[in-house]
Amino acid sequence: DQQVKQNSPSLSVQEGRISILNCDYTNSMFDYFLWYKKYPAEGPTFLISISSIKDKNEDGRFTVFLNKSAKHLSLHIVPSQPGDSAVYFCAASRHRAGKSTFGDGTTLTVKP
Amino acid sequence: DTGVSQDPRHKITKRGQNVTFRCDPISEHNRLYWYRQTLGQGPEFLTYFQNEAQLEKSRLLSDRFSAERPKGSFSTLEIQRTEQGDSAMYLCASSLLAGYSGNTDTQYFGPGTRLTVL
Repeated sequence: DQQVKQNSPSLSVQEGRISILNCDYTNSMFDYFLWYKKYPAEGPTFLISISSIKDKNEDGRFTVFLNKSAKHLSLHIVPSQPGDSAVYFCAASRHRAGKSTFGDGTTLTVKP
Repeated sequence: DTGVSQDPRHKITKRGQNVTFRCDPISEHNRLYWYRQTLGQGPEFLTYFQNEAQLEKSRLLSDRFSAERPKGSFSTLEIQRTEQGDSAMYLCASSLLAGYSGNTDTQYFGPGTRLTVL
């Protein structure tokens, strides 16, 4: 059973518009959530995180929203840039527990 | 600012051979993780260390896999008698888990070692 799901394998948006990437989880014990960006032939790069005590965290063009009751989080990128084109992974963990559980990723393409 | 490094970046081996990968974490980080990623999937947890202690191993980590972190710094992952199903990207990550309860350990990944078993 997959505890973290990214149901959209791909997303294409126009440069300057908003990109919204979604993630659902099933394990209510998760209390820390992260987004990573991955380019081909590289390891995942940490982007932004959110603790379950918050419902929003913002860092520049990136904002993560957490809806605990729906077990859903989303990453908003505004405005989207061609350099944002990459695979985005959602990950979840239990506080101080160690391992992260990842979704299968969403490939974002930002068209000029 | 030195990030996580992994060596080698690529490894091609024949089925049945043993391989060993090395990971050097960010210097002040006390936790080190190994993940495996196959095409079209997210990283899957294999094992992690806090300092030199191996705290958890996934059931994905069969008896052919062994990981060490002898001095609490770099780590090695060895796969014995490789099989074609072992072909994957092996990712190492590190994090700093401080003593106070407010800390959550964000993991920072290395570039990975791509293993191909022929």
